Amino acid sequence: SQKIEQNSEALNIQEGKTATLTCNYTNYSPAYLQWYRQDPGRGPVFLLLIRENEKEKRKERLKVTFDTTLKQSLFHITASQPADSATYLCALALRGGNTPLVFGKGTRLSVIA
Amino acid sequence: GAVVSQHPSWVICKSGTSVKIECRSLDFQATTMFWYRQFPKQSLMLMATSNEGSKATYEQGVEKDKFLINHASLTLSTLTVTSAHPEDSSFYICSARDSQAGLNQPQHFGDGTRLSIL
Repeated sequence: SQKIEQNSEALNIQEGKTATLTCNYTNYSPAYLQWYRQDPGRGPVFLLLIRENEKEKRKERLKVTFDTTLKQSLFHITASQPADSATYLCALALRGGNTPLVFGKGTRLSVIA
Repeated sequence: GAVVSQHPSWVICKSGTSVKIECRSLDFQATTMFWYRQFPKQSLMLMATSNEGSKATYEQGVEKDKFLINHASLTLSTLTVTSAHPEDSSFYICSARDSQAGLNQPQHFGDGTRLSIL
């Protein structure tokens, strides 16, 4: 069966450390993968997109990797701050043009001062 | 950047009422918009794909007569929850991509509508 798993429901880290979130998928062949941030009661906010032929993408303190052999994406936040506390969602975009996203359940990150 | 506006952000109404939710792309055109539903501590689940000028495509298990979708222009899609009941209470979120931006572009989301049916 098809699955997309973010294998930590919750993650607590100390301020200043690097947070690493994992997204694994099975029986999908995504054209690209996106990471979103969602705060309570709000819609997801787009952070990064990485295509199937890309290994790594960076944006300020954020870094995403994409390993299509392992079927895994890692999302890193360096020098984490309490303001980074939120739920982070991994989403797959399947082939076929303008297709909807398939979401993981998310990882709730808490950065402790 | 691309902005999607969703209105209203919060609705409380009595059972049996119909509720309309609007989703607008403010600075881009979207031939396709998506409607998701999210229950507490759960993932976003796709309900339907809204297509400008044609019928929406509904996911399995989603009643098209209950969740009416209209996508009359390139910047507006509406979702109407007809004869809403308490089990329809949820967080409804729309998303859209810029149709003119090419393939493999991110989807942008509205801020969601919290629907509570009493």
